[in-house]
Amino acid sequence: EPEVTQTPSHQVTQMGQEVILRCVPISNHLYFYWYRQILGQKVEFLVSFYNNEISEKSEIFDDQFSVERPDGSNFTLKIRSTKLEDSAMYFCARRTNTEAFFGQGTRLTVV
Amino acid sequence: GESVGLHLPTLSVQEGDNSIINCAYSNSASDYFIWYKQESGKGPQFIIDIRSNMDKRQGQRVTVLLNKTVKHLSLQIAATQPGDSAVYFCAVKGGADGLTFGKGTHLIIQP
Repeated sequence: EPEVTQTPSHQVTQMGQEVILRCVPISNHLYFYWYRQILGQKVEFLVSFYNNEISEKSEIFDDQFSVERPDGSNFTLKIRSTKLEDSAMYFCARRTNTEAFFGQGTRLTVV
Repeated sequence: GESVGLHLPTLSVQEGDNSIINCAYSNSASDYFIWYKQESGKGPQFIIDIRSNMDKRQGQRVTVLLNKTVKHLSLQIAATQPGDSAVYFCAVKGGADGLTFGKGTHLIIQP
């Protein structure tokens, strides 16, 4: 199956700054997801995006997070004002009817 | 909501031996289960899945067993190889868009 490309692979940002994480799905699926994984912890669901709208979001996905598909191809996760606890791996995924295919992830380090 | 747990954070096996990784879930309405493999620095990679209308499914060197009575899922890897070293997650889908992941078992293959 074709994979998902995420950029950048590693992002270092200062606390309080905005970051945008990008995901380019190769195929034109309608379902996209963002997950995060804090070092040594579970993969956590953040948000699902269907047909250019948020379809579900978790408690983690508060007002500082937003998602967009600005040009019909890229799929972005924006964190408005980063906190130290936002440091994690962020994975984009696309979904078939049943399973999710993950990108390689962006490692976000907030200092 | 769903919670997913694994019995062992680390499992060490000899190369060539079989390994069994376990997972427990809480929601009896969960209907779809996936095992993912995550190598260091990479995103989760699909291994094998099973639906709730089955209790066993086999792939290449892998078998997934589902016991709905006790809400338990296991992944068996036959004749382990060095390339099998990774963290293995179970993921559970219970009707919502997002998958709920367990924390992972780190499988270590000893020569």
